[in-house]
Amino acid sequence: EVQLLESGGGLVQPGGSLRLSCVTSGFIFSNYAMSWVRQGPGKGLEWVSAVGTNGDRTFYAASVKGRFTISRDNSKNTVFLQMSSLRAEDTAVYYCAKEKLIPSGIADFWGQGTLVAVSS
Amino acid sequence: DIVMTQSPDSLAVSLGERATINCKSSQSVLYSSNNKNYLAWYRQKPGQPPELLIYWASTRESGVPDRFSGSGSGTDFTLTISSLQAEDVAVYYCQQYYDSWTFGQGTKVEIK
Repeated sequence: EVQLLESGGGLVQPGGSLRLSCVTSGFIFSNYAMSWVRQGPGKGLEWVSAVGTNGDRTFYAASVKGRFTISRDNSKNTVFLQMSSLRAEDTAVYYCAKEKLIPSGIADFWGQGTLVAVSS
Repeated sequence: DIVMTQSPDSLAVSLGERATINCKSSQSVLYSSNNKNYLAWYRQKPGQPPELLIYWASTRESGVPDRFSGSGSGTDFTLTISSLQAEDVAVYYCQQYYDSWTFGQGTKVEIK
C-alpha cells in the first residue's frame, strides 16, 4: 500500500523558515518524481514544487522560487521542502504527492497534508 | 502560465442524476507529437486530500468508477458524473500538465 506521511508544519513568524518532510512507503521511491502542492484556507490547489527521480531536476512555482528548496533522499524514501522568507500568503496545508510514471506531471497518490501557518 | 477556468463554481444535482463540469484552458494543452491532451481531473472530498480520477483528458485512473468520464480536446474539457452518488459530494479540480502544473479554481458538487 502506497503511503505518504508529511511532517514539519507549524506556526512560524513572517520571515521565518520551516522544513517539511514526507516519508513514503509502498513503492520504489527512487523511480518516481515527487511534488508538493498546497491549499490555502478555503482555497483551491496550488502546485509548489517538483523534483525528479534522482534530485538533479527541480521545478518551482513563480510564487516560491528563490525562497523554497525541494530535495530528496532516496536512501530514506523521503522528500523535503525547505521554506524560508515565509509570508502570510504561504499559509496553507502542504501536500506531498507521488507522480505517475507515465504520464509524469500528475499525482496519483497524496499524503494527508501538514499545516503551515505564517503569522506574527 | 496556462490559466485553467472551471464552470460552474458550484452545482447541486439530485442523487442518480448527471453532473457536468467544464474546464477551459487559456491555451491548448494538446501536444501535437503524440496527439494527447495534458489534462487531468481530481476529486477532493471534505477534509481529505485530492484523488486522481482521469488523465489524458479521458483515461480513467485504475479503480475509478465508470460513472466518471472525461472528454474534450485542445482548450475545452468536460468531466461528467453519469449518476451522482452521495460519496461524490466534493470539490472537483481540473489540472493541466502541458507546461508545469496549474489547477482550475474548483467546482463544488452538492446534493440537491
